[in-house]
Amino acid sequence: KAGVTQTPRYLIKTRGQQVTLSCSPISGHRSVSWYQQTPGQGLQFLFEYFSETQRNKGNFPGRFSGRQFSNSRSEMNVSTLELGDSALYLCASSKAGPLYNEQFFGPGTRLTVL
Amino acid sequence: DQQVKQNSPSLSVQEGRISILNCDYTNSMFDYFLWYKKYPAEGPTFLISISSIKDKNEDGRFTVFLNKSAKHLSLHIVPSQPGDSAVYFCAASADFRGGADGLTFGKGTHLIIQP
Repeated sequence: KAGVTQTPRYLIKTRGQQVTLSCSPISGHRSVSWYQQTPGQGLQFLFEYFSETQRNKGNFPGRFSGRQFSNSRSEMNVSTLELGDSALYLCASSKAGPLYNEQFFGPGTRLTVL
Repeated sequence: DQQVKQNSPSLSVQEGRISILNCDYTNSMFDYFLWYKKYPAEGPTFLISISSIKDKNEDGRFTVFLNKSAKHLSLHIVPSQPGDSAVYFCAASADFRGGADGLTFGKGTHLIIQP
């Protein structure tokens, strides 16, 4: 069974640009959660999608948005990039909601903002 | 304000000995706790969890202890093996089914197992 995949793995952008990251969950998983990992703040919850609907949202500005498609694949978008957005962005999938002991993480997308 | 704290950024333990990783939390609404292990260039992997109705959960070499009154949990690894070298994250939630705030993570402890 293929794991959670994230593309691209590495990305370099400049301030003011926007970026779209993609996450393909494990087949059969309908819940996708996104997290941001930085050295200073650790892992922080961004949002969770289930059946194409955003169910939960963390404490991030509106520049961070996401969506989920009918095949459960999810994208997150960050507009007007800032230097502080440089981070590892992780997505995690689970079958029917973020049952945390059944949640599987992807390898992450490393975003660098210059 | 950090609700989940791992005060030791790194820990070095000799192979074969016990590794003890600590985690403190401040939110009394948390009732489900997890430990994740993360290798470089990989996403976190679920290791073990504990519900607040328990004070101990064991899975092979890994045991998690929860002290609700002290708002403290710890992960014990016995015996420690070289493959255990990784970053360990403590995480908490107000609902094991998925709280509105997702999982709240600590900043991680880098465990290094010395041969």
